Amino acid sequence: QQQVKQSPQSLIVQKGGISIINCAYENTAFDYFPWYQQFPGKGPALLIAIRPDVSEKKEGRFTISFNKSAKQFSLHIMDSQPGDSATYFCAASMLGFGNEKLTFGTGTRLTIIP
Amino acid sequence: DTAVSQTPKYLVTQMGNDKSIKCEQNLGHDTMYWYKQDSKKFLKIMFSYNNKELIINETVPNRFSPKSPDKAHLNLHINSLELGDSAVYFCASSHGPASGKSDTQYFGPGTRLTVL
Repeated sequence: QQQVKQSPQSLIVQKGGISIINCAYENTAFDYFPWYQQFPGKGPALLIAIRPDVSEKKEGRFTISFNKSAKQFSLHIMDSQPGDSATYFCAASMLGFGNEKLTFGTGTRLTIIP
Repeated sequence: DTAVSQTPKYLVTQMGNDKSIKCEQNLGHDTMYWYKQDSKKFLKIMFSYNNKELIINETVPNRFSPKSPDKAHLNLHINSLELGDSAVYFCASSHGPASGKSDTQYFGPGTRLTVL
C-alpha cells in the first residue's frame, strides 16, 4: 500500500512564482519527513527535512509546512527559478534502530518556465 | 572526493544472466542501503545494512543478494536476471540511528540496469 501520497504528479510554475507540493502519510509512527530533489541522471539529494515537533522549517527559499493532526506536510519553493526544475520526492521514516528506511512519495516533476 | 559511488553507471545484459553492482562510501557512515527506482520513478527500499549486518530486507526476491565486505562497501548481486529487474538502482548511506548524528541519507548516482 502507498503509505506516503504525493501530489501533484507534475507542476508547471512561472519563474518567480511559488511552487507547492503536498504529501500525506498514514503511519503515525513516522517521525522524520525529508524532501529530496532529483535531477535527470542523478541520485536524489536531501533538500530539507522536518521532525513532527515543529510546524514549519525554512531554509532559504524552501519551506516545509507540517500538520501533524492532518498527517500532511508540504514543500513551498518561493521565487521559483529555472534551476529548480527537477523531480521532488517527499519521504517519511521512523527513526529507531532497524526502522530508518525512507518511504517515498511518488514524486512531482516540477518545471519552472521563464 | 565522491561521497557515494556506484559502478557501473549503465549495465545492459540478457535475461538469465548474473550481474553485480558495487557501491562504496567514503563518508564514514555505518549504514548503507539499496533502493530501486522503477520506470515511473517510484523509489523503494530493498535492503539496509548497519556495520555489515543486514537489518532491512523488504521482501525482495532471493535472486537479489546484498553483500557487505566492510562498512564502506555494499554490493548487490542479482542472479537469473528477469525483464522486470530493469530499473535504476541507488545505493545510499547514513550515519545510522545509533550514532546520534544526522539522519540524512546520501545517495549515489545510480546504476541503470537494462535486461533484454
